[in-house]
Amino acid sequence: DSGVTQTPKHLITATGQRVTLRCSPRSGDLSVYWYQQSLDQGLQFLIQYYNGEERAKGNILERFSAQQFPDLHSELNLSSLELGDSALYFCASSVGINTDTQYFGPGTRLTVL
Amino acid sequence: AQKVTQAQTEISVVEKEDVTLDCVYETRDTTYYLFWYKQPPSGELVFLIRRNSFDEQNEISGRYSWNFQKSTSYFNFTITASQVVDSAVYFCALSENTQGGSEKLVFGKGMKLTVNP
Repeated sequence: DSGVTQTPKHLITATGQRVTLRCSPRSGDLSVYWYQQSLDQGLQFLIQYYNGEERAKGNILERFSAQQFPDLHSELNLSSLELGDSALYFCASSVGINTDTQYFGPGTRLTVL
Repeated sequence: AQKVTQAQTEISVVEKEDVTLDCVYETRDTTYYLFWYKQPPSGELVFLIRRNSFDEQNEISGRYSWNFQKSTSYFNFTITASQVVDSAVYFCALSENTQGGSEKLVFGKGMKLTVNP
């Protein structure tokens, strides 16, 4: 158990809908990262927050957004969902902004029908 | 851009065999970190090891060992006396500095290891 929690574990929804994925980092970690794992793209970095501020952005679609709250939990919002958004979404956390190991949560499996 | 190549996509071995997973990387950063993660069938990503680019000492931890060769951009991972519980997908990852002063991970495609009894 990495100490990173993600909810829900599974999510099934329809095209065009909007969902919110939630992540709680390990105690004491200030950085939260979001990654997407799909069959065709593999594991791809989406976005990073550090102590409430966005610090890095990867190949994140404009339909996706995220935020980190004062209690350091983070939410990833996916809107206007398409079939291709079906994937495993991981949250990771680390102590600082860089040079630290990222510990991953169990992931949220999103299925868009 | 940074790149991680895991040339082997799938390996199948019999229990107690040794198996080596290869990882080759490309980076323009002068300081970086290399990682191995394990993804068992249950789906979570489990951290195994992190190495600093300045530290080329090989490392052994139980049945796991790592060989880092900076000159050839090579970071392989060996499991000695493999067990069925080692069956998983193994990912090599490389840190990449971002414009915001942080780091993200660039992952290889993963290598699926199946250990048969």
